[in-house]
Amino acid sequence: KNEVEQSPQNLTAQEGEFITINCSYSVGISALHWLQQHPGGGIVSLFMLSSGKKKHGRLIATINIQEKHSSLHITASHPRDSAVYICAVIRGSQGNLIFGKGTKLSVKP
Amino acid sequence: EPEVTQTPSHQVTQMGQEVILRCVPISNHLYFYWYRQILGQKVEFLVSFYNNEISEKSEIFDDQFSVERPDGSNFTLKIRSTKLEDSAMYFCASSQTGVETQYFGPGTRLLVL
Repeated sequence: KNEVEQSPQNLTAQEGEFITINCSYSVGISALHWLQQHPGGGIVSLFMLSSGKKKHGRLIATINIQEKHSSLHITASHPRDSAVYICAVIRGSQGNLIFGKGTKLSVKP
Repeated sequence: EPEVTQTPSHQVTQMGQEVILRCVPISNHLYFYWYRQILGQKVEFLVSFYNNEISEKSEIFDDQFSVERPDGSNFTLKIRSTKLEDSAMYFCASSQTGVETQYFGPGTRLLVL
């Protein structure tokens, strides 16, 4: 069983839609990352959070430590949001990440 | 804005050859990582490095792999005798502390023939 599970695996949305990607994990963590991977392969960190909620532009990330669950929301989605969104958790203090399989998002104009 | 750089961007090698992948982390960062992503699969942790030594490694990081910080700026991953299954994208990342945002390099795509 994967320690980090994401859903859905694939998501197609129309431009302007509100999008939610979910992440559940089964291990104790220090923090959780949401990452974005573009078709070229590069990985960018969107958020790192250990409690509550963070917002950056149209992106919102929440985490519920008790329920071992995090969500990434995209408001007013745009075709340029099309990418793979990856949830990754940090165990311990050294920072090494355990990754989910990613959610492939495609936003149609 | 500071960024993590990696060289080369692509490398093709013959099975059994040694390869060295190079990374320049962000200058004031103290924690360094190597990850790999086999095509179509999830990203996997290989090794973390702090205070000039390996702090943690995965079961993937066997005796064929080694890491080094030969000077104050470079961080290298060496694969001693490459196998076909080592073909993957290798990402270097760095962070200021172990529980902060990690910054990823653009990756090195390694193809072993």
